[in-house]
Formats: sequence, C-alpha cells, structure tokens
Amino acid sequence: DTGVSQNPRHKITKRGQNVTFRCDPISEHNRLYWYRQTLGQGPEFLTYFQNEAQLEKSRLLSDRFSAERPKGSFSTLEIQRTEQGDSAMYLCASSRLWGEKLFFGSGTQLSVL
Amino acid sequence: DQQVKQNSPSLSVQEGRISILNCDYTNSMFDYFLWYKKYPAEGPTFLISISSIKDKNEDGRFTVFLNKSAKHLSLHIVPSQPGDSAVYFCAASAVGSSNTGKLIFGQGTTLQVKP
Repeated sequence: DTGVSQNPRHKITKRGQNVTFRCDPISEHNRLYWYRQTLGQGPEFLTYFQNEAQLEKSRLLSDRFSAERPKGSFSTLEIQRTEQGDSAMYLCASSRLWGEKLFFGSGTQLSVL
Repeated sequence: DQQVKQNSPSLSVQEGRISILNCDYTNSMFDYFLWYKKYPAEGPTFLISISSIKDKNEDGRFTVFLNKSAKHLSLHIVPSQPGDSAVYFCAASAVGSSNTGKLIFGQGTTLQVKP
C-alpha cells in the first residue's frame, strides 16, 4: 500500500492555458474521487469513478473540466482555458469498498496567473 | 447549501487539556460521519468515524460523539498534544441512499495546541 499518488504537486500556469493532473489510486481501489479545495473551505466533490465509469459529476465541474479513468487504473483531470478562479488544491481520493473511508493524496496545488 | 457546518474556524487549547471540535449537519439522510486531519500542503488523513447506529466511537485519545436528534457531532481529543495542531474537517456520507460514497465536508476548524 503506497498510498494515493498525485502529480504534479504544484502547477503554475497562465490564464487561458490547459493543464492536466494525474492521480494513481491505491492498487485494488476501484472507487476514485476528485475534490477541489480553496483557502478556508473544506474539500468540494467534483466527480466519482467506479472502475472506468464516471458515475457522478458535480455542477462545479464546468464544461472546461474533463476527467478520465482509462482501464480503471489511474485518472486524469484536465482543465481547459484556465481561469484565475480555478486556482485551488485539487485532491484525489480512493476507496476499495462502498461506504468505506476515503484515502486522499497530497493534492496538486494549481495557481493560475 | 452548506450541508455540513463547522461554525468555529479556530480553536486554541493548552497542551494536556481537552479539545472539543463541533460539527452540525442538515441532511437527515447522512448515516456515516468521519473526521479528517489536514496539515498544510498535504491531503486530509482519516482520523475516526462513526455510523449512525452508534452514538459514540473511541480510538485512543480521540472520541467522536453523535447526536442524531440534534444533527450534531463532536470530536474530543484528550489529552491534547502540540502535534495535534492542524485543520480538522468533519465529513458526512449518505451510504444507505447513495451509490457513490462521496463525502460532504465542513469548512474546517484550525486547532492550535499550545505547549
């Protein structure tokens, strides 16, 4: 059990650029979640995958955001045409069983200039 | 619509004393509650959880109490240690009525334990 791994840890980009983050969940965890956290707030749910199927998307996930989980292993979160309001910590979490606690990665801190 | 609320942004206690962190929720469908601890630049780490069929769960220095009628839960840390200084998040899930298992988080409470 090596934990949930997220890359990169930090990303600085200019407004209008596209960025992509990667998450490697704990092996054998078939449930994967993306969250976003801004300063002074708790993590906010973005989307959920069970294996390769994206089963739920929050209304926070605008059409500039897309997430994938090919083959039910790692996942990517892409933000197109970034805006300053996208600056946040993007967290990935995984779990093995339904109704079980989530294990979080260290997050990717995005700064949009 | 903030379904999980932590109304105290910060709490300061002396080392060795009790820390009590509070959390309120509005959604009666929530049936699983968790506390996470977060250090700066790290992801949240699981601390303790409680199912709605219980009213108390204890793990070492950490105890979580659940009052379903009041839709309120609290985390007690006894005795508090300087290493407990972190942001604490309350989270809830509607396991019995949802197939995602997603957690809804409160805004967090920053705990400072003074030596």
